[in-house]
Amino acid sequence: EVRLVEYGGGLVQPGGSLRLACSASGFTFSVFALHWVRQAPGKGLEHVSTISTNGNSTYYEDSVKGRFTISRDNSKNILYLQMSSLRVEDTAVYHCVKDGYAVAGTGSYLEYWGRGTRVIVSS
Amino acid sequence: DIQMTQSPSSVSASVGDRVTITCRASQDISGWLAWYQQKPGKAPNLLIYAASSLQSGVPSRFSGSGSGTDFTLTISSLQPEDFATYYCQQADSFPPWTFGQGTKVDIK
Repeated sequence: EVRLVEYGGGLVQPGGSLRLACSASGFTFSVFALHWVRQAPGKGLEHVSTISTNGNSTYYEDSVKGRFTISRDNSKNILYLQMSSLRVEDTAVYHCVKDGYAVAGTGSYLEYWGRGTRVIVSS
Repeated sequence: DIQMTQSPSSVSASVGDRVTITCRASQDISGWLAWYQQKPGKAPNLLIYAASSLQSGVPSRFSGSGSGTDFTLTISSLQPEDFATYYCQQADSFPPWTFGQGTKVDIK
């Protein structure tokens, strides 16, 4: 059974930092692209970041570029999202997502999702 | 970025009803569309990928159709566990993946 469990969320002041982590099990972690997708309170889904299997290729949504860093540890089956210079508008539940393929691209899909970890940015 | 527009935003239905949700892309995405179900406080769950392929373990009352810019998710006979919010997502142009705004299916 595929399991994705996020942790590391919490309450942080604007300008602060958090590191989210996602512990994965039930599949061969190193051969799938991974994503972070967030959902602001009462809002829809927003694709935030993606990382390739070996970590050499990454994507960031425009509003988080330069502030967030995605990484992965294939030896420990953990996905990370380092978030800095946090803004009120970053408040959301952050979901860790496994792609259906090794390479995220045309035709790939978001196969398994974690329940998410809540990040609240507020003074 | 490709914009995805779902309609309706919400629908009230009864158990046993046939429910149809539509999703329109701002440009041709061929058949690269996925549908997800999300219940409150839970993770989204993949229902349909490539417009009409049923994800393993998803009940056959769910079906998807369409190509180009217009797509449909149909629940043939609504069950109590189907009351949820449904999202479409284009899988043609990456990055980024973009989602519809969601359609909430609630009890009439």
